[in-house]
Amino acid sequence: AQKVTQAQTEISVVEKEDVTLDCVYETRDTTYYLFWYKQPPSGELVFLIRRNSFDEQNEISGRYSWNFQKSTSSFNFTITASQVVDSAVYFCALSESFMNNNAGNMLTFGGGTRLMVKP
Amino acid sequence: DGGITQSPKYLFRKEGQNVTLSCEQNLNHDAMYWYRQDPGQGLRLIYYSQIVNDFQKGDIAEGYSVSREKKESFPLTVTSAQKNPTAFYLCASSHGTANTEAFFGQGTRLTVV
Repeated sequence: AQKVTQAQTEISVVEKEDVTLDCVYETRDTTYYLFWYKQPPSGELVFLIRRNSFDEQNEISGRYSWNFQKSTSSFNFTITASQVVDSAVYFCALSESFMNNNAGNMLTFGGGTRLMVKP
Repeated sequence: DGGITQSPKYLFRKEGQNVTLSCEQNLNHDAMYWYRQDPGQGLRLIYYSQIVNDFQKGDIAEGYSVSREKKESFPLTVTSAQKNPTAFYLCASSHGTANTEAFFGQGTRLTVV
């Protein structure tokens, strides 16, 4: 069975600090997909990034960057120079390949990390 | 604008009553999902549907029912058999393959009074 663990339940930083959110996953599949979502106070989950298991290149998008390491089954998310608007709950999620999961992208979510950025 | 619409945003229910949460999407997505979120926890899958007139149980389907009569709509009924229904419910849709992201509605907060 697949599992996603976000060990940090809550993180508090001061604006302009860098912060890294950890995500560790378990899967028996060789092909899988990892996602990060942001949940602001409004409640809707906002898609941030998707990463394929066969692509270990790190990715940077503005202040956001992601570090995918298959050797440690981790997919960590770093926010550089955090801002108050980054305050939200962040979820890491895992989807196995459709060959083993005919339910499309039935996502398995971690418990989420609540990030509070103080001015 | 394309997206997923959930209604109502807040819902109060008396114990013993059934209640139906609405979810509509105009993204032309094949797959739709219902998740439950409890305070301080991640999302757990209740039901999902890959095509019209077909749906499957997720991890916590007991006490819930769904229908998929139209591609655009996937309503969730919380029945009186659900022992602890107070939670935040999120509906999502996707193209239905593992490598595509899901899009989420704004959620319905259900409170049993």
